[in-house]
Amino acid sequence: GQQLNQSPQSMFIQEGEDVSMNCTSSSIFNTWLWYKQEPGEGPVLLIALYKAGELTSNGRLTAQFGITRKDSFLNISASIPSDVGIYFCAGHASGGSYIPTFGRGTSLIVHP
Amino acid sequence: DTAVSQTPKYLVTQMGNDKSIKCEQNLGHDTMYWYKQDSKKFLKIMFSYNNKELIINETVPNRFSPKSPDKAHLNLHINSLELGDSAVYFCASSTGTGSQPQHFGDGTRLSIL
Repeated sequence: GQQLNQSPQSMFIQEGEDVSMNCTSSSIFNTWLWYKQEPGEGPVLLIALYKAGELTSNGRLTAQFGITRKDSFLNISASIPSDVGIYFCAGHASGGSYIPTFGRGTSLIVHP
Repeated sequence: DTAVSQTPKYLVTQMGNDKSIKCEQNLGHDTMYWYKQDSKKFLKIMFSYNNKELIINETVPNRFSPKSPDKAHLNLHINSLELGDSAVYFCASSTGTGSQPQHFGDGTRLSIL
């Protein structure tokens, strides 16, 4: 199946710092999605990207669909304690796959 | 006004038992999914139904049997539970079968004693 390489695996930062995480795939993707999972809850969609080069913001979050269609990044600016959680990238490979592929997640801890 | 709801939230049972997890969505979506999240937080898709028809059936032991009585419900029945089945199981739904984002439930934490 498709493989998504998400990095870093975990991040420990101070409140106010900016955060950057990314995902790369071995094949071309049609869609990139970024989710956040908080303890005891299911993943919640943050940003959806549908076109190569697309740059989309959601508050302090910004995500981009890489031009090669094989990568995406998520940036969080001026982090706050409630940004704590696990961030997952996900995507659909070209070829009309019904099966979404998830990255292994980036665990973010923000120290006040 | 919960969008995707799963019951129960916690399930503790003994090896060898049979158990079911229920899922309902009120978003009007026509595709529903079951995922298994292991202790390392890896999300692995198990099944997907579109309009009550099975469209994805990943490599899952046949002790796991999904059932979709209508497009708003997707239940998961597990026979002869094993220790390795301990995980958090998430139900999700989406519009269509293409590249649409999924809405997840809050998960069912299954612990096998």
